[in-house]
Amino acid sequence: DVKVTQSSRYLVKRTGEKVFLECVQDMDHENMFWYRQDPGLGLRLIYFSYDVKMKEKGDIPEGYSVSREKKERFSLILESASTNQTSMYLCASSQYRGPNYGYTFGSGTRLTVV
Amino acid sequence: AQSVTQLDSQVPVFEEAPVELRCNYSSSVSVYLFWYVQYPNQGLQLLLKYLSGSTLVESINGFEAEFNKSQTSFHLRKPSVHISDTAEYFCAVSVPSNDYKLSFGAGTTVTVRA
Repeated sequence: DVKVTQSSRYLVKRTGEKVFLECVQDMDHENMFWYRQDPGLGLRLIYFSYDVKMKEKGDIPEGYSVSREKKERFSLILESASTNQTSMYLCASSQYRGPNYGYTFGSGTRLTVV
Repeated sequence: AQSVTQLDSQVPVFEEAPVELRCNYSSSVSVYLFWYVQYPNQGLQLLLKYLSGSTLVESINGFEAEFNKSQTSFHLRKPSVHISDTAEYFCAVSVPSNDYKLSFGAGTTVTVRA
């Protein structure tokens, strides 16, 4: 069964800490995405990547960066965590660009910044 | 730019009753439409999609959605719900001009009661 694995289910971090959220997919997918999910706002795209070492900003990239050194791994980095980054973070992947290629989502990481 | 509006944030419903979740989109070009479901403590899963052809699409677990171009809608329906349908449901749209990336609505929480 194909999988997108997010390394942590729950995280609690302090304001100002550097935070790494890890995502690994085992499907040899080209594309990977990071979303944050907030009540009443749905999913908003933070960053995405169409290839190794490639990254592009999504709709809400401020306060975040990403790294994709290997095809299967896409990391989201909060350089200096703030309380307004408390949220559910979802990683997704897709094989190629196009409507026929569905997204596979991880189970999410619920981050609390205190 | 495209956007998605889910008109109901919460839908309580009794078991075996019908349910309809409303989704409207705005786009000046042709769109591809999706419904995703998120069960408690899980990631999102694709429920059904409209790419082309018949405007009525069905899922394997009894949901259906109808693409209405004139109304710019893609409402989701199920004639008889089960307790196990309790979940959050997201409508999403993709367009070629945005590299087919998914844009999500705010979500509708369905709570099925016995």
